[in-house]
Amino acid sequence: SQTIHQWPATLVQPVGSPLSLECTVEGTSNPNLYWYRQAAGRGLQLLFYSVGIGQISSEVPQNLSASRPQDRQFILSSKKLLLSDSGFYLCAWSSRQGALGEAFFGQGTRLTVV
Amino acid sequence: SQQGEEDPQALSIQEGENATMNCSYKTSINNLQWYRQNSGRGLVHLILIRSNEREKHSGRLRVTLDTSKKSSSLLITASRAADTASYFCATVYNTDKLIFGTGTRLQVFP
Repeated sequence: SQTIHQWPATLVQPVGSPLSLECTVEGTSNPNLYWYRQAAGRGLQLLFYSVGIGQISSEVPQNLSASRPQDRQFILSSKKLLLSDSGFYLCAWSSRQGALGEAFFGQGTRLTVV
Repeated sequence: SQQGEEDPQALSIQEGENATMNCSYKTSINNLQWYRQNSGRGLVHLILIRSNEREKHSGRLRVTLDTSKKSSSLLITASRAADTASYFCATVYNTDKLIFGTGTRLQVFP
């Protein structure tokens, strides 16, 4: 069966520090991968998505970046965090069999920048 | 923005009542999906309706889709306290982009 792992669950980082959040998927190949951010009590904002290794589409150009070094690995990074980067980050995967189907989410990372 | 809008933003009902949430979107879609999120957790897929479908059922869930009005609704019948959560619609744009609506926070009181 397919599973998605996202870590860490919580993270407190000082302003100006780097960030690396990792997401891995098991049990499927060539998934679409997504990074979302959710502010408290709000909807999900699509940050990046990837349809294949090395293929990254950016929806919200900020001081965040994403990489997909392997088929089932998706990494969200920042060189220098801002206070406004605080939020709940969610990784998800979906397979496209003719049309994009349901997405499966990780448990999320709550990032607090202090 | 491509993000859809949902209403109401918040909904409070008693157990046993029905809950209806609405979603509007902006461009043509391939399918529309509904998700549930418990506080502080990841989202869980509930149901998917394709653009050529008008209504779909799954247990106590009923989803309708009106592509002419670019809108969908989610009906939860005979609600339970355990249905308390946030509910989001999501639409697929440009084949691979999955865009979520703003969500409805549902509170079901015992």
